[in-house]
Amino acid sequence: KQEVTQIPAALSVPEGENLVLNCSFTDSAIYNLQWFRQDPGKGLTSLLLIQSSQREQTSGRLNASLDKSSGRSTLYIAASQPGDSATYLCAVGGSSNAGGTSYGKLTFGQGTILTVHP
Amino acid sequence: DTEVTQTPKHLVMGMTNKKSLKCEQHMGHRAMYWYKQKAKKPPELMFVYSYEKLSINESVPSRFSPECPNSSLLNLHLHALQPEDSALYLCASSRDRSNEKLFFGSGTQLSVL
Repeated sequence: KQEVTQIPAALSVPEGENLVLNCSFTDSAIYNLQWFRQDPGKGLTSLLLIQSSQREQTSGRLNASLDKSSGRSTLYIAASQPGDSATYLCAVGGSSNAGGTSYGKLTFGQGTILTVHP
Repeated sequence: DTEVTQTPKHLVMGMTNKKSLKCEQHMGHRAMYWYKQKAKKPPELMFVYSYEKLSINESVPSRFSPECPNSSLLNLHLHALQPEDSALYLCASSRDRSNEKLFFGSGTQLSVL
């Protein structure tokens, strides 16, 4: 059974800092990995999607890397802003090679609560 | 249009009530999902529909009944719920079942009294 762990659970930084959020997963037979942002009481917004054959994806101040063999992904946020304050969730997409039963399933980590203060 | 629209935004129901949650998308996505999220926890998958057919049911109690009338609509029928079913119910869609870039709705906050 796939397990996803995110470290740290919470992070508080001053505005302007560069920061790294970590995600690890136990089963490397994944289809893809996504990073989401969630504001309180709201739905999730997909930030970056990395296919299992890719090493990284970039969007603006965000960069996500994937090391499938070691079961790790990192989300790098450059020049953080107060508007970046939210919960960041890592989610691993099950592979169709894994017996077909995990294909179509996303397994989420517990999230990192990020607070960027002015 | 890149939105997934969920109605209602808030719902309060008693344990004997029957209610339905609705979800709609017009992106031509052929996979739609229901997730349940308790406070301060990650979303948990409930159901996956692929091309209007139920492809995954994560052992969800029968008091939750999903329905996909067409490729744009997804319903979740609720009957005889328990207080512990109170949660944020999230609908999502993607191009297909491979979870290519999931689009989530803003959710229905459900309270069962």
